[in-house]
Amino acid sequence: EADIYQTPRYLVIGTGKKITLECSQTMGHDKMYWYQQDPGMELHLIHYSYGVNSTEKGDLSSESTVSRIRTEHFPLTLESARPSHTSQYLCASSGGGGSSPLHFGNGTRLTVT
Amino acid sequence: EDQVTQSPEALRLQEGESSSLNCSYTVSGLRGLFWYRQDPGKGPEFLFTLYSAGEEKEKERLKATLTKKESFLHITAPKPEDSATYLCAVQAGQAGTALIFGKGTTLSVSS
Repeated sequence: EADIYQTPRYLVIGTGKKITLECSQTMGHDKMYWYQQDPGMELHLIHYSYGVNSTEKGDLSSESTVSRIRTEHFPLTLESARPSHTSQYLCASSGGGGSSPLHFGNGTRLTVT
Repeated sequence: EDQVTQSPEALRLQEGESSSLNCSYTVSGLRGLFWYRQDPGKGPEFLFTLYSAGEEKEKERLKATLTKKESFLHITAPKPEDSATYLCAVQAGQAGTALIFGKGTTLSVSS
């Protein structure tokens, strides 16, 4: 079982609220990622980081932001949540060089009403 | 454009009935092909990485193979606990590039 933790597991909030989804890993991995997953659809990359103070946007346009101040912590923030943000958010990390596999957390299921 | 297509979308098997899942890919410069298992309400769990055509890897009832255009996940004598969604992903381009995922195949095995 991978040592990557996401909180909260479920979140229901109203439109316009600011939220932060937490992700922490204890494996010392340099690379961390946020994916968005909707039912029956592929995972889409929204943000990634190759190390402290390094963040990039992924292929899927997102109104969220991320930060990487510590190696183990990669939080995702939505300044003003909208119903279109309703989705499952998965955090992952990978270590080593080359094609190391991603290790995923169990996700945060976000519902914006 | 890099692309991953999985088929079938859903597969129902009887316990002990062997079958295969397909993952076709179109990428420039494949660095690795990954198979994951995802149970409802959980994150994907890593199964295999394949790097080059002809490579095969096995784990219990699962065997993954790779050609230049596709990968197969063979399931031999499946059990109900093998029921899950199986995801295929590729990494292309430079080392460390994020994975590109297919939509997955949802496998249901009944006893």
